[in-house]
Amino acid sequence: ETGVTQTPRHLVMGMTNKKSLKCEQHLGHNAMYWYKQSAKKPLELMFVYSLEERVENNSVPSRFSPECPNSSHLFLHLHTLQPEDSALYLCASSQEVTGSMKQYFGPGTRLTVT
Amino acid sequence: GESVGLHLPTLSVQEGDNSIINCAYSNSASDYFIWYKQESGKGPQFIIDIRSNMDKRQGQRVTVLLNKTVKHLSLQIAATQPGDSAVYFCAEGQAGNMLTFGGGTRLMVKP
Repeated sequence: ETGVTQTPRHLVMGMTNKKSLKCEQHLGHNAMYWYKQSAKKPLELMFVYSLEERVENNSVPSRFSPECPNSSHLFLHLHTLQPEDSALYLCASSQEVTGSMKQYFGPGTRLTVT
Repeated sequence: GESVGLHLPTLSVQEGDNSIINCAYSNSASDYFIWYKQESGKGPQFIIDIRSNMDKRQGQRVTVLLNKTVKHLSLQIAATQPGDSAVYFCAEGQAGNMLTFGGGTRLMVKP
């Protein structure tokens, strides 16, 4: 276990549904991340939070809406998704927002949009 | 090697042999490098990292080599075991920036 948990582990949703992904880290870290992992691409950074404040948004469509109520919890709210949004969504955390330290990943949520 | 397109490179090794997985990074200013292992159905798991002031670092059964001259990173796994079968990918980064991940290499261990 890495100290980062994600729920649900699997999610199937229709294009008109609204759902949320949840991430919780038990490491006392100050930074949390959402990544998208598709079969044909490297890990794509979606959102970055530092101490509950969003510090980076990599041109992600508005149908993905993040929320960070405190430094231990991160949500990704989903609505009117497209089939091409089907992927593994990974949450990660690190001590601080920087590219010079390791990130700890959760197990991911496998999302299928029908 | 590094995945740059639509397919994942695959390395197939015999159980007990040594494995070498390669990664070419792009940013000469990167000063931090990290290897992750991802098994099927799981999230990436940290293996080993190295900073640019070093060219070699050893862990338990794993060694990372860094060649800054040619921007190349490699992961060596000694006495490869079936449990080592997974996708391995590298990432590069620097302070003030985000980690950038490579596409990964699939390691298959034959019994």
